Amino acid sequence: DTEVTQTPKHLVMGMTNKKSLKCEQHMGHRAMYWYKQKAKKPPELMFVYSYEKLSINESVPSRFSPECPNSSLLNLHLHALQPEDSALYLCASSQDPRDRGRTDTQYFGPGTRLTVL
Amino acid sequence: QKEVEQNSGPLSVPEGAIASLNCTYSDRGSQSFFWYRQYSGKSPELIMFIYSNGDKEDGRFTAQLNKASQYVSLLIRDSQPSDSATYLCAVNGLLRTFGNEKLTFGTGTRLTIIP
Repeated sequence: DTEVTQTPKHLVMGMTNKKSLKCEQHMGHRAMYWYKQKAKKPPELMFVYSYEKLSINESVPSRFSPECPNSSLLNLHLHALQPEDSALYLCASSQDPRDRGRTDTQYFGPGTRLTVL
Repeated sequence: QKEVEQNSGPLSVPEGAIASLNCTYSDRGSQSFFWYRQYSGKSPELIMFIYSNGDKEDGRFTAQLNKASQYVSLLIRDSQPSDSATYLCAVNGLLRTFGNEKLTFGTGTRLTIIP
């Protein structure tokens, strides 16, 4: 089973709203990722959690705040977003980010389609 | 030079023919190579991963890796209309310290299978 789940599937929010995206996996993976994807572009890495610690932040604006409550869950808290933040937000997980060339395959969830008005 | 390069296409292939997708990467230290398929409006779906030089076959899909030439390719045999999608090449291990590798994507190749 290589399932990563994400909720909600769709989200519409105003620029003053606070919302959260959720991601869950039960594969025992120890790395989880947030990506942002705009239309006709490849996924763009935002954050990486490795063994529940934030290991990579790709200079993402502070209006995006990640959280990893435990090894199965990953949240992305959203506040004061801009219309240009509208995109498909993808969560992914991999078994062991330290085991290069063996178990670093990333599996993606279905994504959350975010629209900021 | 981009880190991972793909021909953006669109690539049109008749049904039943072989579709050939190519990808080059910049860093000789890269260790892991992936092909993802992405239908419009959906998330990337893993098709193949390859770590060693040579060919790796899985059903109608064959991934080929040549580290000396820094390219990886994907062949799709007996192409079906359902194979029409964008194919993303991704490389792990570029320009990062061990344990903090970043998966770097190419821009994707849009493939259309013509019935």
